[in-house]
Amino acid sequence: AQKVTQAQTEISVVEKEDVTLDCVYETRDTTYYLFWYKQPPSGELVFLIRRNSFDEQNEISGRYSWNFQKSTSSFNFTITASQVVDSAVYFCALSEEFDSWGKLQFGAGTQVVVTP
Amino acid sequence: EAGVTQFPSHSVIEKGQTVTLRCDPISGHDNLYWYRRVMGKEIKFLLHFVKESKQDESGMPNNRFLAERTGGTYSTLKVQPAELEDSGVYFCASSQAFTGRLFFGSGTQLSVL
Repeated sequence: AQKVTQAQTEISVVEKEDVTLDCVYETRDTTYYLFWYKQPPSGELVFLIRRNSFDEQNEISGRYSWNFQKSTSSFNFTITASQVVDSAVYFCALSEEFDSWGKLQFGAGTQVVVTP
Repeated sequence: EAGVTQFPSHSVIEKGQTVTLRCDPISGHDNLYWYRRVMGKEIKFLLHFVKESKQDESGMPNNRFLAERTGGTYSTLKVQPAELEDSGVYFCASSQAFTGRLFFGSGTQLSVL
């Protein structure tokens, strides 16, 4: 069963528009970790954020913000005032194992295309 | 500081041949992971090393795949013999002890014809 669902395959926006990427996860564990990674055209996955299950505080980092809602099992990601450099594939991921927290279960990814 | 390095970046082989992928983690990172993304599917965990020991190899698809990390430094992933369904992008990632952050390489694109 898929543990992380990113229903949006591709989102296209014009520069300066806001874009929100949805992520819904499924787990029976009470302690887990959620992540977002960015994959630019160069190929490597770049860490953006980690959120612990017991910390529901939303977070803002520059133009990036994350909304974590345990009640709906969602961890959505918003890019405000998008720029062309934001064009990439974005992956949401879940880790359920503290001893092997790097054992991530990825969603299918959302391709973001930002045009000038 | 050098990042995670993987080579080759691309490999094209015929079914039945052997291929060895290499990953050089960031210096000092004890944790090393292998992941794979086959066409149209999610990125999937293959295995996890802590130094030279295999912590978790539950994601290895079958015994045609052999991963090693001699001396706890670089790691190799050998596929022997390669099958068509092994085609995909193989990612390596490393981390220090629980920092909540993986550093990924750019991946090796493997094509089995």
